[in-house]
Amino acid sequence: DVKVTQSSRYLVKRTGEKVFLECVQDMDHENMFWYRQDPGLGLRLIYFSYDVKMKEKGDIPEGYSVSREKKERFSLILESASTNQTSMYLCASSPGGRFYEQYFGPGTRLTVT
Amino acid sequence: DQQVKQNSPSLSVQEGRISILNCDYTNSMFDYFLWYKKYPAEGPTFLISISSIKDKNEDGRFTVFLNKSAKHLSLHIVPSQPGDSAVYFCAASVSGGSYIPTFGRGTSLIVHP
Repeated sequence: DVKVTQSSRYLVKRTGEKVFLECVQDMDHENMFWYRQDPGLGLRLIYFSYDVKMKEKGDIPEGYSVSREKKERFSLILESASTNQTSMYLCASSPGGRFYEQYFGPGTRLTVT
Repeated sequence: DQQVKQNSPSLSVQEGRISILNCDYTNSMFDYFLWYKKYPAEGPTFLISISSIKDKNEDGRFTVFLNKSAKHLSLHIVPSQPGDSAVYFCAASVSGGSYIPTFGRGTSLIVHP
């Protein structure tokens, strides 16, 4: 059974803080993704990675960066959190060559005050 | 510009009746379509998919219909159960596996007992 875990379910941070969201998958998947979900806007892709140390921008990368030092771990970094980054953040992974076969983590509800 | 549209943000259905969730797409290159289900405070989970070589795919109470000429797909749930209450995301991709799915904005289904 594929398992994608995220470091926190709920997080509250202050404006300007640096925020790290961690994601770990245990199925040796090549691809990993970060999305944010907002009401009425659906799932929007922030960044994805198809290999260790490789990353590609998604549709809304502004204000975010990512790190993938190990195959199983993909981190999302908010360099200076802002209130408009309050959202549900979802991590996903997929096998190599099968981007459509995504397995999602439970999500992190981030509130920036 | 939305390439995958779910025009109904919400749908309310009585238990035992049919739920029909609709999805339209604009990109003619899309040939593989997926539905994901998301409960609050959980990540989306894959529900059912369909390839463009078919016009129907069935899995238990869930059936997806594809009308390629109209660029339209629908998810039918029969009979609907209260446990089906969730947000349903339609996603479209290109077969071959190297295209990240584009998600719709989701439809919130509420099934009343």
